[in-house]
Amino acid sequence: GQNIDQPTEMTATEGAIVQINCTYQTSGFNGLFWYQQHAGEAPTFLSYNVLDGLEEKGRFSSFLSRSKGYSYLLLKELQMKDSASYLCAVADRGSTLGRLYFGRGTQLTVWP
Amino acid sequence: DTEVTQTPKHLVMGMTNKKSLKCEQHMGHRAMYWYKQKAKKPPELMFVYSYEKLSINESVPSRFSPECPNSSLLNLHLHALQPEDSALYLCASSQGLHEQFFGPGTRLTVL
Repeated sequence: GQNIDQPTEMTATEGAIVQINCTYQTSGFNGLFWYQQHAGEAPTFLSYNVLDGLEEKGRFSSFLSRSKGYSYLLLKELQMKDSASYLCAVADRGSTLGRLYFGRGTQLTVWP
Repeated sequence: DTEVTQTPKHLVMGMTNKKSLKCEQHMGHRAMYWYKQKAKKPPELMFVYSYEKLSINESVPSRFSPECPNSSLLNLHLHALQPEDSALYLCASSQGLHEQFFGPGTRLTVL
């Protein structure tokens, strides 16, 4: 089975840095995705990690440690528009279809 | 074109109605997905089509019937739904194991 865990809620202030953690236990592993979802909208892709290490993309960075079953999403210079749910999703090994298992999402609120 | 489109945006239907949700992508993706998402919950996978063939059915009740007429289109036919089926229905597409692109969703309300 798949077990993906992330905090339910986080808060931070504008301009700050926030780190959203995700731990996973899966029967197979073929990469980890982070998606951002604003209320009532579709998830949008943020990052993909399949090898250990840090991937940086502008204000957002994502880190993966496969041996620890751990990832984090780092958001810098927070803006009000970053208030959203952040979904961690793991792709199952052996699947050729990009089958994703989602965590329950972390609702981030950015205060002025 | 890096967009997945879905129609309608909103749908209200009674329990005896028959309706269809539509999804379209022109990115040449060979995998297409239907997800159901309840408020404050993650998307739940319902169906996966690969090369226009149904590859995964996550034990979805038969009142939901998917159809893939061609490589760009994906439909979800709805019949005799229950109020608990009210949710946001998301379509997504991907090229194999790469990122999935999601459509804006159809917000369904069953009365």
